[in-house]
Amino acid sequence: GEDVEQSLFLSVREGDSSVINCTYTDSSSTYLYWYKQEPGAGLQLLTYIFSNMDMKQDQRLTVLLNKKDKHLSLRIADTQTGDSAIYFCAERGGTASKLTFGTGTRLQVTL
Amino acid sequence: EAGVVQSPRYKIIEKKQPVAFWCNPISGHNTLYWYRQNLGQGPELLIRYENEEAVDDSQLPKDRFSAERLKGVDSTLKIQPAELGDSAVYLCASSSRASTKTGELFFGEGSRLTVL
Repeated sequence: GEDVEQSLFLSVREGDSSVINCTYTDSSSTYLYWYKQEPGAGLQLLTYIFSNMDMKQDQRLTVLLNKKDKHLSLRIADTQTGDSAIYFCAERGGTASKLTFGTGTRLQVTL
Repeated sequence: EAGVVQSPRYKIIEKKQPVAFWCNPISGHNTLYWYRQNLGQGPELLIRYENEEAVDDSQLPKDRFSAERLKGVDSTLKIQPAELGDSAVYLCASSSRASTKTGELFFGEGSRLTVL
């Protein structure tokens, strides 16, 4: 079945850039997503990219997709303490509405 | 616009007891999802509804889990009897026809279940 892998933890200093990485196995993925989960809250969609795109930029967020290597990354510029959360990569494959989530990367922003 | 509402937020029960979770999706969202999130893991789909029809329940452990969405709006997820391994956060999400196309799901805050 589909598998989505992420590193568990990332610590950055406030003002630096954060890069969160994700690999997936489903070559038929149509969309790939980044969701953010703050403590005690549900997941919130941050951004998504269609599989025929290489890059998408949205304010401080840059998503890079390497479809050949099945690698997705999320870059957060000028990381703030409010960016501290768990970030989930997800992919949507052949089934129209089913998303497969990674294990999440906990981003810690230090002063 | 009100978000996805779930209750209860927290539930502690002893094993073999029943438990039920309730979800009210965003108004007008026809697709409703129940996900289970184990500690340190990503959410895993249990069941997906299109209106009142369960269109994907392949990951729902049917021996002890049941779900319903009678009028195509609110939904309940029941576990009977609960086991220790059922301790997790149960997330409800919904999407509209438009957001389903792009895969944007709107999640509730979740119901955290602890089975002792």
